[in-house]
Amino acid sequence: DPKIIQKPKYLVAVTGSEKILICEQYLGHNAMYWYRQSAKKPLEFMFSYSYQKLMDNQTASSRFQPQSSKKNHLDLQITALKPDDSATYFCASSQDLGNYAEQFFGPGTRLTVL
Amino acid sequence: GQQVQQSPASLVLQEGENAELQCNFSSTATRLQWFYQHPGGRLVSLFYNPSGTKHTGRLTSTTVTNERRSSLHISSSQTTDSGTYFCAPDTNAYKVIFGKGTHLHVLP
Repeated sequence: DPKIIQKPKYLVAVTGSEKILICEQYLGHNAMYWYRQSAKKPLEFMFSYSYQKLMDNQTASSRFQPQSSKKNHLDLQITALKPDDSATYFCASSQDLGNYAEQFFGPGTRLTVL
Repeated sequence: GQQVQQSPASLVLQEGENAELQCNFSSTATRLQWFYQHPGGRLVSLFYNPSGTKHTGRLTSTTVTNERRSSLHISSSQTTDSGTYFCAPDTNAYKVIFGKGTHLHVLP
């Protein structure tokens, strides 16, 4: 059974549109994260949440907005999409944010912006 | 911020050969993970190893914290080991910083 679910697996969008990437984890973890991986850049950290509170944001653009309706959910809303946003977006979780918190990753959502 | 250097950038092995992947980082890390990324994109945690040596199957991870380095040893490589290996240390509790990875290709 997958413990971290990301939906959809693939997503195609047009420039200027808005999309929401879904992430749910069933590991009982308290911390969740978003990462991005594109052809041009290595895996890069975007956000971290702990108990539904934003802890760190390394995304320069406000077009990226995490949304946490439940402790085990951390969705990512992306507005005014650009072709450069094309990437695979990974959700991750860990028990806590502490120093001994191993992170586990979901399967990713591959976003293509035309 | 934390800088991560992984070497080699790519590696081609004949099946059965051993591999040693290196990771050096610029700041002391309290958390370090090794990940394997399948050719299809899936990320799998191999080791959570901020210090010392850990083994699992044919894999061994050794981290020397005060020297800011870690290594991943793969013994008797198999074609199914092909993929990308990432080292990911951190300098705070909120995020993990990834290296650029070592792309491993094991030939049959």
